[in-house]
Amino acid sequence: NAGVTQTPKFRVLKTGQSMTLLCAQDMNHEYMYWYRQDPGMGLRLIHYSVGEGTTAKGEVPDGYNVSRLKKQNFLLGLESAAPSQTSVYFCASSYSVKRQTNTGELFFGEGSRLTVL
Amino acid sequence: ILNVEQSPQSLHVQEGDSTNFTCSFPSSNFYALHWYRWETAKSPEALFVMTLNGDEKKKGRISATLNTKEGYSYLYIKGSQPEDSATYLCALNTGKLIFGQGTTLQVKP
Repeated sequence: NAGVTQTPKFRVLKTGQSMTLLCAQDMNHEYMYWYRQDPGMGLRLIHYSVGEGTTAKGEVPDGYNVSRLKKQNFLLGLESAAPSQTSVYFCASSYSVKRQTNTGELFFGEGSRLTVL
Repeated sequence: ILNVEQSPQSLHVQEGDSTNFTCSFPSSNFYALHWYRWETAKSPEALFVMTLNGDEKKKGRISATLNTKEGYSYLYIKGSQPEDSATYLCALNTGKLIFGQGTTLQVKP
């Protein structure tokens, strides 16, 4: 039972390079999220998706793009990495808040540590 | 941008002490208020999800209350143990989840 899986778990990039983080969930969740975690800042929402083919901006979307082509996958892209994007990235998923019995509890991946030099 | 505030930022207590943290938020228009426990080097895990009409939630020595009218939630830990050491996050679910900065608890043996 995999739950939420993130790849890669670690990556070092040079300034200006691009990369994509992949999040996959096997729980048939409608909602998926990308957060970044920085010291003293808690979890800040980058982008989220409420269903296949739809995405929306969160609190800190600049410098990132996302795609949700399949319900089970949510990709986070950095087109031109900057040192300010050095962080730990967490993906999470949940059922829709519109499901009557749903609590909206988030299930998290293990995190991806990205360093931009 | 919705602001979810948590206090205190950090807390050091002795084993056996009881403690509580606060989560405050400005909005009354939300689906639920979540509490998560986040241990070092692990991923956050849900403790409680509190709806508008929910009563006090309890799980072992940990409980939580929600006051939607005044915009706050309390998390209580009774008789803290070293294994309770973690960061406790609250999040407001408005269709997307916005987290507070967390309260980091250290319980000394």
